[in-house]
Amino acid sequence: DVKVTQSSRYLVKRTGEKVFLECVQDMDHENMFWYRQDPGLGLRLIYFSYDVKMKEKGDIPEGYSVSREKKERFSLILESASTNQTSMYLCASSHIRGYTFGSGTRLTVV
Amino acid sequence: AQTVTQSQPEMSVQEAETVTLSCTYDTSENNYYLFWYKQPPSRQMILVIRQEAYKQQNATENRFSVNFQKAAKSFSLKISDSQLGDTAMYFCAFMKGTNTNAGKSTFGDGTTLTVKP
Repeated sequence: DVKVTQSSRYLVKRTGEKVFLECVQDMDHENMFWYRQDPGLGLRLIYFSYDVKMKEKGDIPEGYSVSREKKERFSLILESASTNQTSMYLCASSHIRGYTFGSGTRLTVV
Repeated sequence: AQTVTQSQPEMSVQEAETVTLSCTYDTSENNYYLFWYKQPPSRQMILVIRQEAYKQQNATENRFSVNFQKAAKSFSLKISDSQLGDTAMYFCAFMKGTNTNAGKSTFGDGTTLTVKP
């Protein structure tokens, strides 16, 4: 089975900090995604990547950037964390059979 | 652009009974896939069931089955013999059947299902 691992389950960061959320998949999937999940707003796509060093903006990219230097790793970067970025962040990799999600990172910005 | 609509924000069902979650979608594509995902409280989201649009036969996975109505753009999930472990948020999702969109899916807003003992 494909495994998607997110490095942290819970994070607390201060406003203005640079935050890195890491995601690693153990299959050779080309496509990886970062979503944020907020109550009443469903899943909103932040960024996705379809190959190493390739990335595209999703629906809500403002305040975020990503890095994909290796196929198995897709990092989400909050350049300067703000309280409105407090959320659950979900990483996923996909293939034609669907998405495999990580366990999620609950980020609190104080 | 595709849209996915789940019109039932919350539902409940008694243990051992059957429940159906609704999902409609809008697309001009002919080749696509539809999915139901389950997210239990504080747990990982997992794939429940998948349907290829070109297949007329409805997909089934044990107690989970779908009613896929392509012309009506409807994709409902039926859970038979509901169990307490089925309590979760359920997301309906759409994926184009080509490689041009990098496998990106569009998700509905979710339906929170509570199974009552």
